[in-house]
Amino acid sequence: AQSVTQPDIHITVSEGASLELRCNYSYGATPYLFWYVQSPGQGLQLLLKYFSGDTLVQGIKGFEAEFKRSQSSFNLRKPSVHWSDAAEYFCAVGFTGGGNKLTFGTGTQLKVEL
Amino acid sequence: DTGVSQDPRHKITKRGQNVTFRCDPISEHNRLYWYRQTLGQGPEFLTYFQNEAQLEKSRLLSDRFSAERPKGSFSTLEIQRTEQGDSAMYLCASSLAIGYEQYFGPGTRLTVT
Repeated sequence: AQSVTQPDIHITVSEGASLELRCNYSYGATPYLFWYVQSPGQGLQLLLKYFSGDTLVQGIKGFEAEFKRSQSSFNLRKPSVHWSDAAEYFCAVGFTGGGNKLTFGTGTQLKVEL
Repeated sequence: DTGVSQDPRHKITKRGQNVTFRCDPISEHNRLYWYRQTLGQGPEFLTYFQNEAQLEKSRLLSDRFSAERPKGSFSTLEIQRTEQGDSAMYLCASSLAIGYEQYFGPGTRLTVT
């Protein structure tokens, strides 16, 4: 069964600093990979997605992620964090054979210090 | 494109009562998914539909849970004889087809007292 690991439960960064959130997945075939962001009490907003092709994908709000097959990773990055980025971030994996149902990591809570 | 909507946003019920949630997907999306999220966890898959056909149900979906999508548009998720362990956020998502990203609704927060 596929699984997703987000090793950092909490991360604190200063506003303006760079950010990298880690995500590792376990699955035999090439997965579809996603990053979602969730504000308190809200649903999930899609930040970016990887299906195939270029392994560096750009998303909304200045985020990007890089798919590294050899490391089974899909880390999320942002060069300069804004206070409004404080939220919980979820990495998710899906695959065509599974009907595209998503398996999520446990999330990383991002705190931004002003 | 008005996004995925869910109703109600919050539901408080007493143990043993039945509850029903509704999800309206993005209009042209033929796939609809239900997930459950408990505090401090990521969402967990419950079930999904392609049009009106329910194609897969998770082991998490006990016999007390039932979902329908009668005309391939909106969906309902019913929980019978609620238990305190059912307290969670229930999220609905839709996608255009297989191989496309899922868009989530705001969720229904269920509290069972």
